[in-house]
Amino acid sequence: EVQLVESGGGLVQPGRSLRLSCAASGFTFDDYAMHWVRLTPGKGLEWVSGINWNSGSIGYADSVKGRFTISRDNANNSLYLQMNRLRPEDTALYYCAKDLYYGSGSYYEDWGQGTLVTVSS
Amino acid sequence: QSVLTQPPSVSGAPGQRVTISCTGSGSNIEAHYDVHWYRLLPGAAPKLLIYANTNRPSGVPDRFSASRSATSASLAITGLQAEDEADYYCQSYDTSLGAWVFGGGTKLTVL
Repeated sequence: EVQLVESGGGLVQPGRSLRLSCAASGFTFDDYAMHWVRLTPGKGLEWVSGINWNSGSIGYADSVKGRFTISRDNANNSLYLQMNRLRPEDTALYYCAKDLYYGSGSYYEDWGQGTLVTVSS
Repeated sequence: QSVLTQPPSVSGAPGQRVTISCTGSGSNIEAHYDVHWYRLLPGAAPKLLIYANTNRPSGVPDRFSASRSATSASLAITGLQAEDEADYYCQSYDTSLGAWVFGGGTKLTVL
């Protein structure tokens, strides 16, 4: 059974940093691309960042480019999102999601339960 | 403002059929990129309902179906049940943004 478990969320002040983690199990992690998607009450679902199986292809939404960094550790079946210079509008439930391949036809066949990030002073 | 446009809400009585539309533009749906659909229940992980326009993953009931035209896509749910009450999102790729994009979501209410 595929399991994706996010962690690392919390309350953080604007301008500070946070690192999210996603522990994967139940599938061959380095066979798949992975993504971060966030859910906000006002905007709904928003793709944040994606990474292919060997970290050779990486993408970011314009809203986080230059502030967030995605990475993965295939040896430890883990996905990460380093979030710097956080803004109140980054407040959201952050999901990691599994993707068969990294391409224009990508979709998310499995999701974690999410970790909540709140950016507020 | 989402790149893909969905109605904010739809409703139907148990047993009825409802459809949810997803309209894009020349850089996403009209550019022939695939459309996918998800269901989001409060407190639960999003669930993939339809991938690549019309395909159902194993385990998704055949009450859920989807179609697309050159300019839009739609999700149909037949035989509405109380547990179908949820938020539904479409997703595609936008070549102008170089990003995967979602619709704004549609809240389905079962009357």
